[in-house]
Amino acid sequence: AQRVTQPEKLLSVFKGAPVELKCNYSYSGSPELFWYVQYSRQRLQLLLRHISRESIKGFTADLNKGETSFHLKKPFAQEEDSAMYYCALRAAYSGAGSYQLTFGKGTKLSVIP
Amino acid sequence: DTAVSQTPKYLVTQMGNDKSIKCEQNLGHDTMYWYKQDSKKFLKIMFSYNNKELIINETVPNRFSPKSPDKAHLNLHINSLELGDSAVYFCASSQIGEQGQYFGPGTRLTVT
Repeated sequence: AQRVTQPEKLLSVFKGAPVELKCNYSYSGSPELFWYVQYSRQRLQLLLRHISRESIKGFTADLNKGETSFHLKKPFAQEEDSAMYYCALRAAYSGAGSYQLTFGKGTKLSVIP
Repeated sequence: DTAVSQTPKYLVTQMGNDKSIKCEQNLGHDTMYWYKQDSKKFLKIMFSYNNKELIINETVPNRFSPKSPDKAHLNLHINSLELGDSAVYFCASSQIGEQGQYFGPGTRLTVT
Protein backbone atom coordinates (compact mmCIF):
# COMPACT_ATOMS: atom_id res chain seq x y z
CA ALA A 1 0.00 0.00 0.00
CA GLN A 2 1.14 3.52 -0.66
CA ARG A 3 0.79 6.40 1.70
CA VAL A 4 1.67 10.08 1.67
CA THR A 5 2.14 12.00 4.89
CA GLN A 6 2.16 15.76 5.24
CA PRO A 7 2.74 16.29 8.94
CA GLU A 8 1.80 19.95 9.03
CA LYS A 9 -1.82 20.87 8.62
CA LEU A 10 -1.04 24.59 8.72
CA LEU A 11 2.18 26.47 8.18
CA SER A 12 2.44 30.21 8.75
CA VAL A 13 5.50 32.17 7.67
CA PHE A 14 6.31 35.82 7.22
CA LYS A 15 6.76 37.29 3.78
CA GLY A 16 10.36 36.92 2.71
CA ALA A 17 11.04 34.01 5.05
CA PRO A 18 12.05 30.57 3.75
CA VAL A 19 9.35 27.95 3.36
CA GLU A 20 9.58 24.19 3.65
CA LEU A 21 6.49 22.03 3.28
CA LYS A 22 7.19 18.50 4.38
CA CYS A 23 6.13 15.36 2.56
CA ASN A 24 7.04 11.79 3.37
CA TYR A 25 5.87 8.77 1.47
CA SER A 26 5.59 5.06 1.97
CA TYR A 27 5.80 2.83 -1.06
CA SER A 28 7.72 -0.36 -1.67
CA GLY A 29 8.48 0.32 -5.32
CA SER A 30 9.81 3.28 -7.24
CA PRO A 31 7.35 6.15 -6.93
CA GLU A 32 6.66 9.26 -8.92
CA LEU A 33 6.10 12.29 -6.72
CA PHE A 34 4.22 15.50 -7.38
CA TRP A 35 3.25 18.70 -5.65
CA TYR A 36 -0.14 20.22 -6.38
CA VAL A 37 -1.34 23.65 -5.27
CA GLN A 38 -4.90 24.82 -4.70
CA TYR A 39 -5.49 28.55 -4.34
CA SER A 40 -8.60 29.68 -2.53
CA ARG A 41 -11.68 28.15 -4.17
CA GLN A 42 -9.78 27.21 -7.31
CA ARG A 43 -8.92 23.95 -8.97
CA LEU A 44 -5.85 21.95 -8.15
CA GLN A 45 -2.89 22.76 -10.32
CA LEU A 46 0.22 20.74 -10.86
CA LEU A 47 3.13 22.63 -9.35
CA LEU A 48 6.09 20.29 -9.55
CA ARG A 49 6.97 16.77 -10.60
CA HIS A 50 10.10 15.14 -9.28
CA ILE A 51 11.11 13.70 -12.62
CA SER A 52 11.33 17.14 -14.22
CA ARG A 53 13.59 18.57 -11.51
CA GLU A 54 12.22 21.99 -12.34
CA SER A 55 11.62 25.16 -10.37
CA ILE A 56 8.16 26.67 -10.62
CA LYS A 57 7.26 30.01 -9.01
CA GLY A 58 10.50 29.74 -7.06
CA PHE A 59 9.57 26.38 -5.55
CA THR A 60 11.79 23.33 -5.75
CA ALA A 61 11.49 19.80 -4.42
CA ASP A 62 14.05 17.02 -4.32
CA LEU A 63 13.19 13.38 -4.00
CA ASN A 64 15.21 11.80 -1.21
CA LYS A 65 14.75 8.06 -1.50
CA GLY A 66 16.82 7.38 1.61
CA GLU A 67 14.52 9.47 3.74
CA THR A 68 11.46 8.75 1.56
CA SER A 69 10.79 12.47 1.41
CA PHE A 70 9.83 15.05 -1.18
CA HIS A 71 9.83 18.32 0.69
CA LEU A 72 8.78 21.51 -1.09
CA LYS A 73 11.00 24.53 -0.57
CA LYS A 74 11.11 28.18 -1.45
CA PRO A 75 13.79 30.57 -0.21
CA PHE A 76 11.57 33.66 0.08
CA ALA A 77 7.82 33.34 0.61
CA GLN A 78 5.42 35.70 -1.15
CA GLU A 79 1.87 36.57 -0.13
CA GLU A 80 0.54 35.02 -3.33
CA ASP A 81 1.99 31.69 -2.23
CA SER A 82 -0.77 31.35 0.36
CA ALA A 83 -2.69 28.23 -0.66
CA MET A 84 -3.23 24.56 0.08
CA TYR A 85 -0.37 22.37 -1.01
CA TYR A 86 -0.78 18.67 -1.66
CA CYS A 87 1.96 16.14 -2.08
CA ALA A 88 0.97 13.19 -4.28
CA LEU A 89 2.44 9.85 -5.21
CA ARG A 90 1.88 7.68 -8.23
CA ALA A 91 3.13 4.14 -8.35
CA ALA A 92 5.57 3.82 -11.23
CA TYR A 93 4.44 0.55 -12.70
CA SER A 94 2.45 -0.35 -15.76
CA GLY A 95 -1.23 -1.03 -15.56
CA ALA A 96 -4.34 1.04 -15.16
CA GLY A 97 -3.89 1.25 -11.41
CA SER A 98 -0.73 3.22 -11.80
CA TYR A 99 -2.67 6.23 -13.02
CA GLN A 100 -4.13 6.88 -9.62
CA LEU A 101 -2.60 9.46 -7.38
CA THR A 102 -2.48 9.10 -3.64
CA PHE A 103 -2.63 12.50 -2.01
CA GLY A 104 -1.42 13.65 1.35
CA LYS A 105 -3.89 15.50 3.55
CA GLY A 106 -2.49 18.83 2.46
CA THR A 107 -0.75 21.71 4.18
CA LYS A 108 -2.26 25.14 4.26
CA LEU A 109 0.44 27.73 3.77
CA SER A 110 -0.31 31.17 5.08
CA VAL A 111 2.17 33.93 4.25
CA ILE A 112 1.90 36.83 6.65
CA PRO A 113 2.59 40.25 5.11
CA ASP B 1 -10.08 27.26 -23.67
CA THR B 2 -10.96 25.24 -20.61
CA ALA B 3 -9.06 21.96 -20.47
CA VAL B 4 -11.22 20.14 -17.92
CA SER B 5 -14.70 21.46 -17.21
CA GLN B 6 -17.39 20.40 -14.78
CA THR B 7 -21.06 21.21 -14.46
CA PRO B 8 -22.67 22.33 -12.33
CA LYS B 9 -20.32 24.41 -10.22
CA TYR B 10 -22.70 24.30 -7.26
CA LEU B 11 -25.35 21.73 -6.49
CA VAL B 12 -27.71 21.91 -3.55
CA THR B 13 -30.13 19.04 -3.11
CA GLN B 14 -32.06 17.09 -0.51
CA MET B 15 -31.27 13.75 1.02
CA GLY B 16 -32.53 10.81 -0.96
CA ASN B 17 -32.33 12.52 -4.33
CA ASP B 18 -30.34 11.24 -7.32
CA LYS B 19 -27.99 13.67 -9.04
CA SER B 20 -25.30 13.74 -11.70
CA ILE B 21 -22.19 15.82 -12.16
CA LYS B 22 -20.74 16.14 -15.63
CA CYS B 23 -17.09 16.31 -16.61
CA GLU B 24 -15.55 16.99 -19.98
CA GLN B 25 -11.94 17.25 -21.07
CA ASN B 26 -10.72 18.59 -24.38
CA LEU B 27 -7.11 17.52 -23.95
CA GLY B 28 -7.45 14.23 -25.77
CA HIS B 29 -6.46 12.38 -22.61
CA ASP B 30 -7.25 8.72 -22.28
CA THR B 31 -7.82 8.50 -18.55
CA MET B 32 -10.24 10.40 -16.34
CA TYR B 33 -10.77 10.47 -12.59
CA TRP B 34 -13.11 11.58 -9.88
CA TYR B 35 -11.88 12.85 -6.53
CA LYS B 36 -13.75 13.87 -3.40
CA GLN B 37 -12.49 16.72 -1.24
CA ASP B 38 -14.13 16.78 2.16
CA SER B 39 -14.64 19.66 4.56
CA LYS B 40 -11.16 19.14 5.99
CA LYS B 41 -9.70 19.55 2.49
CA PHE B 42 -8.69 15.90 2.37
CA LEU B 43 -8.54 14.77 -1.25
CA LYS B 44 -9.34 11.18 -2.06
CA ILE B 45 -9.51 9.27 -5.33
CA MET B 46 -12.89 7.74 -6.08
CA PHE B 47 -12.51 6.33 -9.58
CA SER B 48 -10.11 6.18 -12.45
CA TYR B 49 -11.32 5.18 -15.89
CA ASN B 50 -9.93 4.70 -19.33
CA ASN B 51 -11.45 2.93 -22.27
CA LYS B 52 -10.17 -0.36 -20.95
CA GLU B 53 -10.68 -0.37 -17.27
CA LEU B 54 -12.61 1.14 -14.42
CA ILE B 55 -10.83 1.17 -11.11
CA ILE B 56 -12.95 1.87 -8.10
CA ASN B 57 -11.61 2.88 -4.72
CA GLU B 58 -12.95 0.21 -2.41
CA THR B 59 -14.20 2.78 0.09
CA VAL B 60 -16.60 4.38 -2.38
CA PRO B 61 -20.24 3.39 -1.75
CA ASN B 62 -21.98 1.74 -4.67
CA ARG B 63 -24.43 4.64 -4.72
CA PHE B 64 -21.72 6.38 -6.72
CA SER B 65 -21.27 5.30 -10.30
CA PRO B 66 -19.17 6.81 -13.09
CA LYS B 67 -20.58 6.85 -16.58
CA SER B 68 -18.50 7.53 -19.66
CA PRO B 69 -20.47 8.18 -22.85
CA ASP B 70 -17.21 8.75 -24.71
CA LYS B 71 -13.50 9.27 -24.17
CA ALA B 72 -13.88 12.97 -23.40
CA HIS B 73 -16.56 12.63 -20.74
CA LEU B 74 -16.79 10.97 -17.36
CA ASN B 75 -19.95 11.79 -15.46
CA LEU B 76 -20.56 10.98 -11.82
CA HIS B 77 -23.99 9.72 -10.87
CA ILE B 78 -25.01 9.58 -7.23
CA ASN B 79 -28.08 7.74 -5.98
CA SER B 80 -29.90 8.29 -2.70
CA LEU B 81 -27.79 11.22 -1.61
CA GLU B 82 -26.77 11.38 2.04
CA LEU B 83 -25.61 14.27 4.23
CA GLY B 84 -22.09 12.86 4.26
CA ASP B 85 -21.88 13.19 0.50
CA SER B 86 -21.56 16.95 0.89
CA ALA B 87 -18.12 17.81 -0.47
CA VAL B 88 -16.34 19.26 -3.44
CA TYR B 89 -15.97 16.77 -6.27
CA PHE B 90 -13.10 17.20 -8.70
CA CYS B 91 -12.76 15.63 -12.09
CA ALA B 92 -9.29 15.16 -13.58
CA SER B 93 -7.66 13.69 -16.66
CA SER B 94 -4.27 12.45 -17.74
CA GLN B 95 -2.54 10.82 -20.64
CA ILE B 96 -0.56 7.59 -20.54
CA GLY B 97 3.13 8.31 -20.40
CA GLU B 98 2.71 11.93 -19.33
CA GLN B 99 3.25 13.32 -15.91
CA GLY B 100 0.59 14.81 -13.75
CA GLN B 101 -3.16 15.16 -13.91
CA TYR B 102 -5.23 18.13 -14.98
CA PHE B 103 -8.08 19.02 -12.67
CA GLY B 104 -11.46 20.55 -13.27
CA PRO B 105 -12.74 23.52 -11.22
CA GLY B 106 -14.74 21.33 -8.86
CA THR B 107 -18.43 20.92 -8.05
CA ARG B 108 -19.53 21.89 -4.56
CA LEU B 109 -22.29 19.49 -3.56
CA THR B 110 -24.42 20.34 -0.54
CA VAL B 111 -26.92 17.80 0.67
CA THR B 112 -29.57 19.15 3.04
